[in-house]
Amino acid sequence: SSELTQDPAVSVALGQTVRITCQGDSLRSNYASWYQQKPGQAPIIVIYGENNRPSGIPDRFSGSSSGNTASLTITGAQAEDEADFYCYSRDSSGTYQVFGGGTKLTVL
Amino acid sequence: QLQLQESGPGLVKPSETLSLTCTVSGVSISWTTYYWGWIRQPPGKGLEWIGNIYSTGSTYYSPSLKSRVTISVDTSKNQFSLKLSSVTAADTAIYYCATQPLSRWDYLDSWGQGTLVTVSP
Repeated sequence: SSELTQDPAVSVALGQTVRITCQGDSLRSNYASWYQQKPGQAPIIVIYGENNRPSGIPDRFSGSSSGNTASLTITGAQAEDEADFYCYSRDSSGTYQVFGGGTKLTVL
Repeated sequence: QLQLQESGPGLVKPSETLSLTCTVSGVSISWTTYYWGWIRQPPGKGLEWIGNIYSTGSTYYSPSLKSRVTISVDTSKNQFSLKLSSVTAADTAIYYCATQPLSRWDYLDSWGQGTLVTVSP
């Protein structure tokens, strides 16, 4: 099991807002980054740091953090946002990197 | 623009050593602004961080794989490599190489397309 815990699956109605969470003790002192992976494709980064979006990522994607929980919010979800989402940060020792188990997002 | 491309055998026999190479284009691997890393994903499962290497040669490996993993850099070829010894069927996965900028945040900003490695007799 991962040191970063994600809900296995989340669904959202088209155009609505959805929050995907990642929990872990290391998140109290480390930011998570978030990755979107569509079937048959390599992951791409969507959020890193406090709330930074790489070039080309729509502004409907945002990140936040509180205590031991990091969150990825999609405001106005689109059909093309349907994908697996992974968080990435440090393990509890702060030495190594780990991924969360992933969340499958379904847009209804 | 930085690009990464994995290469290596797609089939490895149990107990043998898996060897993959990541060819870097668009930037010198000697740049001291990146960690060069490997991630894998078993079919139908999640991502697993394997480890990375800094341009100085410092390496960091997942504790669960540390005894079997070696990551190295070949600056003359602008490549970095992964070796995983004593493989079993559980090591069957898509293997990705990726870059992690030297930053106060941990994130992987560029990924290769991935290469499937199957462990089978």
